[in-house]
Amino acid sequence: QVQLVQSGAEVKKPGASVKVSCKVSGYTLTELSMHWVRQAPGKGLEWMGGFDPEDGETIYAQKFQGRVTMTEDTSTDTAYMELSSLRSEDTAVYYCATDPGIAAAVRSFDYWGQGTLVTVSS
Amino acid sequence: QSVLTQPPSVSEAPRQRVTISCSGSSSNIGNNAVNWYQQLPGKAPKLLIYYDDLLPSGVSDRFSGSKSGTSASLAISGLQSEDEADYYCAAWDDSLNGYVFGTGTKVTVL
Repeated sequence: QVQLVQSGAEVKKPGASVKVSCKVSGYTLTELSMHWVRQAPGKGLEWMGGFDPEDGETIYAQKFQGRVTMTEDTSTDTAYMELSSLRSEDTAVYYCATDPGIAAAVRSFDYWGQGTLVTVSS
Repeated sequence: QSVLTQPPSVSEAPRQRVTISCSGSSSNIGNNAVNWYQQLPGKAPKLLIYYDDLLPSGVSDRFSGSKSGTSASLAISGLQSEDEADYYCAAWDDSLNGYVFGTGTKVTVL
């Protein structure tokens, strides 16, 4: 059973960066494909990007290209998502989630972290 | 603006059946697997249906999924108060080269 535990809530000023962590237990990070999804207050789910095992690379949603970086520390089984140049519209709950498959065509997210609220406010 | 369209809300009495539609295109639903997620208030999403119509272990068989062409549906039978939640369809989109979620549907049990 995979467990994902995320870091605590953050408050950031516009223009700053935030780095959210996601600690894996029950499996090692190398056995998983980690993705990140966010949800603005009262809004729907939005995929930000994640690891594509078909290419062996991290892919990002076009909307976040150049502003988001997803990394992994396999020594601690912890994944990170860093979002820069924050603006008020980035206020959201950020989730890490794992994809059990390999092909993008059948991508799904079976385990989720508890979520991290990031508030961007001056 | 999501590329997968769902009705904003559906409601039905307990023990009845509801269906939620998800309309997409050939670049997403028409060519890739559809998943459904349930999000209870204040909680993280939970995978409800994968590969169009498969149930993950532990998910009640009151939930079922189907797909035809560029549309998909989620059905909930024997509706219970605990089913009150937001439901999202999702699929990979080949044109966007990204994973897309539906607009979400709020289910209310009357």
